[in-house]
Amino acid sequence: EDQVTQSPEALRLQEGESSSLNCSYTVSGLRGLFWYRQDPGKGPEFLFTLYSAGEEKEKERLKATLTKKESFLHITAPKPEDSATYLCAVQAGAGGTSYGKLTFGQGTILTVHP
Amino acid sequence: DAMVIQNPRYQVTQFGKPVTLSCSQTLNHNVMYWYQQKSSQAPKLLFHYYDKDFNNEADTPDNFQSRRPNTSFCFLDIRSPGLGDAAMYLCATSRGGGVRSGYTFGSGTRLTVV
Repeated sequence: EDQVTQSPEALRLQEGESSSLNCSYTVSGLRGLFWYRQDPGKGPEFLFTLYSAGEEKEKERLKATLTKKESFLHITAPKPEDSATYLCAVQAGAGGTSYGKLTFGQGTILTVHP
Repeated sequence: DAMVIQNPRYQVTQFGKPVTLSCSQTLNHNVMYWYQQKSSQAPKLLFHYYDKDFNNEADTPDNFQSRRPNTSFCFLDIRSPGLGDAAMYLCATSRGGGVRSGYTFGSGTRLTVV
């Protein structure tokens, strides 16, 4: 069974204090790993897709990296508007997994204080 | 802008009273998904439609059903809501399996059962 575990569950940072969020995964044949941002009461907003170990992607203050067992979301000099829940999800390609199914982690709640 | 729209944003229903949530999309994506997200938990796939083909997850309760009358619309029916069905229900779409084309989520419907 595909599993995704995110850590920490919650992270509080001061504005400008860089840090990283972790997503560990166990899947049968990774097809893609996704990072989403979710604000309270809203649907997930797409950030990145990573396909293979060693891949990196950047967007403003965010950088996502991928290894064979985990992904990191690095946040550089965060601002209060970066406060949200960050969700990691994987799509597997083997073992009878439903077509297109995303398996999500429980998320990391990030709070950035001014 | 092309998007995924869920109605209503908030739904209150009585214990045991059937309720229907709706999702529409202007993206012309052929795959539509319904996820259930309980408070502080990971979104969990309930079922999806690949074109007109319905695919139910093995652990989705029989109380949950879905209809897709055309490409643009998809409905989630809860036949006899229980207190444990209170959650955020997320609709998502993709073109094909979604790995390369990505997934687009709606803003969700928050269901309360009283």
